[in-house]
Amino acid sequence: EVQLMESGGGLAQPGGSLRLSCAASGFTFGRHAMSWVRQAPGKGLEWVSTISPTGGTTYYTDSVKGRFTISKDFSKNTMYLQMNSLRAEDTAVYYCAQSTGSSNPFDFWGLGTLVTVSS
Amino acid sequence: EIVLTQSPATLSLSPGERATLSCRASQTVSSYLDWYQQKPGQAPRLLIYDASNRATGIPARFSGSGSGTDFTLTISSLEPEDFAVYHCQQRGNWPLTFGGGTKVEIK
Repeated sequence: EVQLMESGGGLAQPGGSLRLSCAASGFTFGRHAMSWVRQAPGKGLEWVSTISPTGGTTYYTDSVKGRFTISKDFSKNTMYLQMNSLRAEDTAVYYCAQSTGSSNPFDFWGLGTLVTVSS
Repeated sequence: EIVLTQSPATLSLSPGERATLSCRASQTVSSYLDWYQQKPGQAPRLLIYDASNRATGIPARFSGSGSGTDFTLTISSLEPEDFAVYHCQQRGNWPLTFGGGTKVEIK
């Protein structure tokens, strides 16, 4: 059974940093792309970033380029999102999602972790 | 960036009725269009991929159609568990984008 478990959310100050983790199990981690999708309170879904199955290719939405970094640790079957220079508009529930390839549908989702950016 | 416009924003229907949801893309996405269902406090769930293919375990009352820029999600007869928010998403071009969602509520 595929399981995705996010952690690392919380309260951060504007300009601060957080690192989100997504622990994966139930599938071959190195054969699937992984992504982060966020949802601001009361809003729709917004794709944030994707990393290819091998970790060699990454994609970002423009609003986080240069501030967020997605990565995979194959020894821990865990994906990360390092978030720097946080802004109020980054406040959202962050979901991790798994897909067969970088441009494939999001087959499985985690339950999400809430990030709040506020002073 | 491809903009996806979903309509209507809210659909008020009774159980047993047919629901028709629309998703329009600002430029062609071929058939790289997916639909997700999201219930309050839950993560989204993949319903339809590549415009018309049901994901594993999705009941046959859910169907998708369309290609290019105009897509439709149809729920043939609403069950109580179908009242939720539905999101479309395109994978035709980076950045990946979602529509604003359609809420299907009980009338």
